[in-house]
Amino acid sequence: EDQVTQSPEALRLQEGESSSLNCSYTVSGLRGLFWYRQDPGKGPEFLFTLYSAGEEKEKERLKATLTKKESFLHITAPKPEDSATYLCAVSDRPFGAGTRLTVKP
Amino acid sequence: NAGVTQTPKFQVLKTGQSMTLQCAQDMNHEYMSWYRQDPGMGLRLIHYSVGAGITDQGEVPNGYNVSRSTTEDFPLRLLSAAPSQTSVYFCASSYSGVWGHNEQFFGPGTRLTVL
Repeated sequence: EDQVTQSPEALRLQEGESSSLNCSYTVSGLRGLFWYRQDPGKGPEFLFTLYSAGEEKEKERLKATLTKKESFLHITAPKPEDSATYLCAVSDRPFGAGTRLTVKP
Repeated sequence: NAGVTQTPKFQVLKTGQSMTLQCAQDMNHEYMSWYRQDPGMGLRLIHYSVGAGITDQGEVPNGYNVSRSTTEDFPLRLLSAAPSQTSVYFCASSYSGVWGHNEQFFGPGTRLTVL
């Protein structure tokens, strides 16, 4: 059964403490893996699309990577404004439940 | 560009009432969709459309109807509201490409409470 699983559910970091969020999937025929950021009370905002294993994309303190079974969203030296829920979606399959990131100053 | 707009932002209904959630986009996107978001359950797809006149069901379509008469608009109708439909509803749109699925642009959401 196609499945998208995100871990951890919640992550608390100190400002400057780098870490990674995981999105694992069991989908045949990957046609794109998408990362979104969602702030409280707002709609998700697109961050990255990855299409093939080995692909990487970067934006400010965020870097997304993709393997054949999972994607990582690496956050380097996070700031409090990076606090949000990060969602993963694979092809036309359901979204993952998200990782709620809190960065403390 | 206004992007994806949704109205209303908040709504309270009584059980059994009907209403329409409005969604519009000005990006000429073919693909539009409706999601509901509940705590701990992520985004669940209700209905989607790949173009004017074409709609299809998502994961959780029961109790909802949609139509797509224009490229810009994709309203979601609740036929007879139930407390289980209390949720935050998001509309999204995207262009259709070779891969058939592209990044989606989301509206700000409608927060619906059914008493």
